[in-house]
Amino acid sequence: GQQLNQSPQSMFIQEGEDVSMNCTSSSIFNTWLWYKQEPGEGPVLLIALYKAGELTSNGRLTAQFGITRKDSFLNISASIPSDVGIYFCAGNNNAGNMLTFGGGTRLMVKP
Amino acid sequence: EAGVAQSPRYKIIEKRQSVAFWCNPISGHATLYWYQQILGQGPKLLIQFQNNGVVDDSQLPKDRFSAERLKGVDSTLKIQPAKLEDSAVYLCASSLDWADGNTIYFGEGSWLTVV
Repeated sequence: GQQLNQSPQSMFIQEGEDVSMNCTSSSIFNTWLWYKQEPGEGPVLLIALYKAGELTSNGRLTAQFGITRKDSFLNISASIPSDVGIYFCAGNNNAGNMLTFGGGTRLMVKP
Repeated sequence: EAGVAQSPRYKIIEKRQSVAFWCNPISGHATLYWYQQILGQGPKLLIQFQNNGVVDDSQLPKDRFSAERLKGVDSTLKIQPAKLEDSAVYLCASSLDWADGNTIYFGEGSWLTVV
């Protein structure tokens, strides 16, 4: 089946630093999504990308849909302690509109 | 607007026992999903309903897992008999329509430990 590879698996950074994480796939996706999951909670949608090459921002978060449609990245600028959590990428190839999730990037922020 | 509600939040059972999880989606959402999230991994889709019909259940282990959404609103996911490897968080999610599958809202999850 389809697989999404996220990197890095975990990051431990200082408050105020910028963060970059990415997601790659062997298959093409028509939509890329980024979710954040905090302990004890379900994933919450952060950004959705619908076109190859698209660059979208949501506050301090910026994500891009790769032009090959096989990758995406998420940047967080000026990180703060509440950014702590696991960030998941997800791809949708519109075959039944079902999402395939990556393994997640665990972000830890040191105040 | 009320979110996706799930219960119970936590359950510990012995292997070979059975367990059932309940989900109430966001009001008016036609599409309901059950995902399994094993510790350290991303969610994996088990089954997708559109109203009271199954859209996809290709990754549901049907020898032990079953799910229903009889009236097209609430849903129940059952595991019988449970195995150790079924220990995971079971996430219910919903979206307005299957064509709006990108905007999926997740519940807080039901945490299952099989001992």
